[in-house]
Amino acid sequence: LAKTTQPISMDSYEGQEVNITCSHNNIATNDYITWYQQFPSQGPRFIIQGYKTKVTNEVASLFIPADRKSSTLSLPRVSLSDTAVYYCLVGEGNQGGKLIFGQGTELSVKP
Amino acid sequence: GAVVSQHPSWVICKSGTSVKIECRSLDFQATTMFWYRQFPKQSLMLMATSNEGSKATYEQGVEKDKFLINHASLTLSTLTVTSAHPEDSSFYICSARSGTDMNTEAFFGQGTRLTVV
Repeated sequence: LAKTTQPISMDSYEGQEVNITCSHNNIATNDYITWYQQFPSQGPRFIIQGYKTKVTNEVASLFIPADRKSSTLSLPRVSLSDTAVYYCLVGEGNQGGKLIFGQGTELSVKP
Repeated sequence: GAVVSQHPSWVICKSGTSVKIECRSLDFQATTMFWYRQFPKQSLMLMATSNEGSKATYEQGVEKDKFLINHASLTLSTLTVTSAHPEDSSFYICSARSGTDMNTEAFFGQGTRLTVV
């Protein structure tokens, strides 16, 4: 099973760009990389998903190098409301698509 | 995006009683549903995976007789915590997707806070 490693916590200030890197050395060929955001006492919310290279949506960008052994979630110009836990998940494509959460990164955005 | 609704949002029950939590996909058919448990300051722990019309697959260490999962339709799955005890107090979250491929987005419910007293 692919396992992910992320920093436990990160601090940032409003208006800064935040990059959270996730390591997934054992990623399989058919695995996708997905990032979720979770606020306290709420269910996780999908942010972005990618397979390789770069993916961008209205919320974030996801950078995936050619070897796919890591990925970086980039949040442009964060605000206080971006304070949350961010989870990097690597798909269990051969096991019914179940989502296994790692420890996540607790991002704290300060004014 | 698609909506997954959990009910209730919070529940307090007495030790020894059973509690049922519902998870509904409101605007799509959920082929697969997942149930998670989350303790304070910890990550989500997958408890079980259920496919419509078949028995749930439980993760190692999760008691299937204590946490009963029913996925009787493509829009509803239920988790029943039987004979609940204070150590079962936790945040329970369901997730649903319309397929089994990882590129099929999974949607999460808002969670249910269970407190056993």
